[in-house]
Formats: sequence, structure tokens, C-alpha cells
Amino acid sequence: EAGVVQSPRYKIIEKKQPVAFWCNPISGHNTLYWYRQNLGQGPELLIRYENEEAVDDSQLPKDRFSAERLKGVDSTLKIQPAELGDSAVYLCASSLSSVDYGYTFGSGTRLTVV
Amino acid sequence: AQRVTQPEKLLSVFKGAPVELKCNYSYSGSPELFWYVQYSRQRLQLLLRHISRESIKGFTADLNKGETSFHLKKPFAQEEDSAMYYCALSGRGGSRLTFGEGTQLTVNP
Repeated sequence: EAGVVQSPRYKIIEKKQPVAFWCNPISGHNTLYWYRQNLGQGPELLIRYENEEAVDDSQLPKDRFSAERLKGVDSTLKIQPAELGDSAVYLCASSLSSVDYGYTFGSGTRLTVV
Repeated sequence: AQRVTQPEKLLSVFKGAPVELKCNYSYSGSPELFWYVQYSRQRLQLLLRHISRESIKGFTADLNKGETSFHLKKPFAQEEDSAMYYCALSGRGGSRLTFGEGTQLTVNP
């Protein structure tokens, strides 16, 4: 079992450029989460999916961030255009359901915007 | 609104000493509380949850609703306990998990 797989591990881009992160959750996990972790802070939820449906995206800055989870499996998080303040670690997690708090986190993508 | 506060960013103890990582929360309903741990160069992982009332790696945590706290304790710290610890809260029935800012625990030999 590979666990939650995220790519890339690291990404450095110039501001105003687009960037995308990919997540493959654990097989059979219906609930998928994207979190953002700023330096020295705890993770903060950006969006939660139940299968293909985004059920909690109230914290997602929709002017520049978008996400999708086609077919209820893999997910992509996109930022366009990126700003300096977007530098953070983007974590993906999955669980069997939203009431199962045995989240499994991925290794994260460390984004640096210069 | 739900909020988790970990007052100590850094905590340093000697091997064999007791350790307590503090966590206070704010939530209007009945919360579910968790401790997550991140060892160096590893993923964030669940350590324990209050509903399980279990001891993991010698750690325990008791939910004190009167003091709105969920402190993590271990009677005898080990060097391998050195890690970043996050307290987290969620409402019952499935909702967002809110994390504290974390406490970096260092256990010195």
C-alpha cells in the first residue's frame, strides 16, 4: 500500500505563474482533503471532497484556487496566478468517510513562490 | 467557530522526565479531539483520539470539558518522542478538522 501519493514534492515558481498539485488517495477512500500549512502553523483545510462532490470549500480562495476530483479518485489543486503568500506546504489526506478521522496524509508539496 | 490553542511552540525535556503538551480548545458543541504527530522527514500521522481512550507509545490524553483542554502526557519521555505534535478538533458527525499551531518537542539525552 503506497498510502496517499502526492506530486511533485517540491515546486518553485515565479509569482503570477500557474501551478498544479496532484493527489492519489488510498484506494477505497471516499473522502479527500486538501490542506495548506504555512510555516510555523498547523494545517488549514482548503477543500473536502465526498467522492466527486466538493462538500466544504468555504476556505478555498476561489479567485485563484481551483480543485477537481474527477471520477472520485485522483484530485488536482490549481493556483492561477500564484502569489508570494501562497508559499506553503500543500497536504492531501484521505479517509474512508467524513466521519472516519483516521486520516492518512500524503507527504505534501512544498511550494515556493519567488 | 472552532479554535485550538497550543501555548508552547517549543518544549524541551530530558530523557526519562515526564512531558505534558498543552492543548486548549474552543467549540460550542461536543467536540472530538485528536493528537497528530510528525516525526522528522515523515508524514503527519494520527497519534490518538479522545474517544478511543487508548495509550499510544506511552502517551495518553484526557478530555477535560470543564477546562476545555486535551493535554497530551507521557510519564517518561524517550529520545524517539522528539517530533512536532499537533492538537486537532472536529465537531461530531464529520466536519472540518481544525489544527493548533503545533508544539515542537525535543527530548534530550
